[in-house]
Amino acid sequence: EPEVTQTPSHQVTQMGQEVILRCVPISNHLYFYWYRQILGQKVEFLVSFYNNEISEKSEIFDDQFSVERPDGSNFTLKIRSTKLEDSAMYFCASSAGTGSYNEQFFGPGTRLTVL
Amino acid sequence: GENVEQHPSTLSVQEGDSAVIKCTYSDSASNYFPWYKQELGKRPQLIIDIRSNVGEKKDQRIAVTLNKTAKHFSLHITETQPEDSAVYFCAASSRSNYQLIWGAGTKLIIKP
Repeated sequence: EPEVTQTPSHQVTQMGQEVILRCVPISNHLYFYWYRQILGQKVEFLVSFYNNEISEKSEIFDDQFSVERPDGSNFTLKIRSTKLEDSAMYFCASSAGTGSYNEQFFGPGTRLTVL
Repeated sequence: GENVEQHPSTLSVQEGDSAVIKCTYSDSASNYFPWYKQELGKRPQLIIDIRSNVGEKKDQRIAVTLNKTAKHFSLHITETQPEDSAVYFCAASSRSNYQLIWGAGTKLIIKP
């Protein structure tokens, strides 16, 4: 069964550094998402992406964040200048159709630790 | 915007008993309500979902009910087993949104 994959599984970085989190969505899916989960808390929506542009973004997704689909398979989340509070598990997800009525499949996550 | 409340935060039940987790939502336009199970350190996995044109859905030991008037939906797990121990999240989305809005999660503990 196809799965969403993410790399790296764990990223440690110094405050102020840029990080890029990578995701490979399921190949025939058209909608891509990033969520984050601070340890012990709920999953929070960051951004959705369709047809090479952002469809929706939350208040968390400020100017420090950006997403890109650089080729036909990868979907990346960039944090330009990391802060301590960016430490969290970041999940990529993809779906065949829109968020409503279509299951979102989650990747295994990247644990980001900002020191 | 949508807000999803989930209760209880922790639920401990004896193996073999039933467990019920409840969620309420605020946006009457929400029409899709999935439930995810997350084991420690792993990705959330969909276990069941319900759409607003249905009041109840069942899949073996798991069932979900939806009350659109009251804007709440519930997860029911019968004959609980040790492998049911996990954190369960409810979520909601609407046709106009792509995002899932999540509840805070319920840690389900199955006592042997």
